[in-house]
Amino acid sequence: DSGVTQTPKHLITATGQRVTLRCSPRSGDLSVYWYQQSLDQGLQFLIQYYNGEERAKGNILERFSAQQFPDLHSELNLSSLELGDSALYFCASSPLPGGQAEAFFGQGTRLTVV
Amino acid sequence: AQSVTQLDSHVSVSEGTPVLLRCNYSSSYSPSLFWYVQHPNKGLQLLLKYTSAATLVKGINGFEAEFKKSETSFHLTKPSAHMSDAAEYFCVVSEGTSNTGKLIFGQGTTLQVKP
Repeated sequence: DSGVTQTPKHLITATGQRVTLRCSPRSGDLSVYWYQQSLDQGLQFLIQYYNGEERAKGNILERFSAQQFPDLHSELNLSSLELGDSALYFCASSPLPGGQAEAFFGQGTRLTVV
Repeated sequence: AQSVTQLDSHVSVSEGTPVLLRCNYSSSYSPSLFWYVQHPNKGLQLLLKYTSAATLVKGINGFEAEFKKSETSFHLTKPSAHMSDAAEYFCVVSEGTSNTGKLIFGQGTTLQVKP
């Protein structure tokens, strides 16, 4: 168990809908990352927050947004969902903002858009 | 920009034989490199990391990796495969600075262990 908690584990929703994925980082970790894993694109970095502040952005669609709250949990909001958004979404956390610290991953949320 | 290339998409070994999973990286500066493992329907678990200390890095479950700057490689090895090692393995480079920690993942290598 990495100590990173993601909810829900599975989500099935229809095209055009909006969903929210939630992540609780390991105790004491200030940095939270979101990644998307799909069969065609592999594991892709979406966004990083550190202590509530956005630090880095990857190829995150404009329909997607995220935030990190004062208690350090994070939410990833996906709207106007399309079939192609079906993927496994991972949250990871680390104690530091920088690249030398390893990231600890949650079990992921499997999103299926029908 | 940093990148990693995992040279084999699928590796099959017999139980008790050595494992070699190959990874080459591209980085404009001294990189931080990691190997992660993903078992079916599970999250990603860190096996080991290299951050410019010793070039031979030991990880969990008997895995180790050697950083070779001249070859820009970071291959993962294990002397003797176990059935429980069957999983997807990812070589990862950090594109981060001291203030950001974006990880760049390779495409993954599926390790099959035959009895």
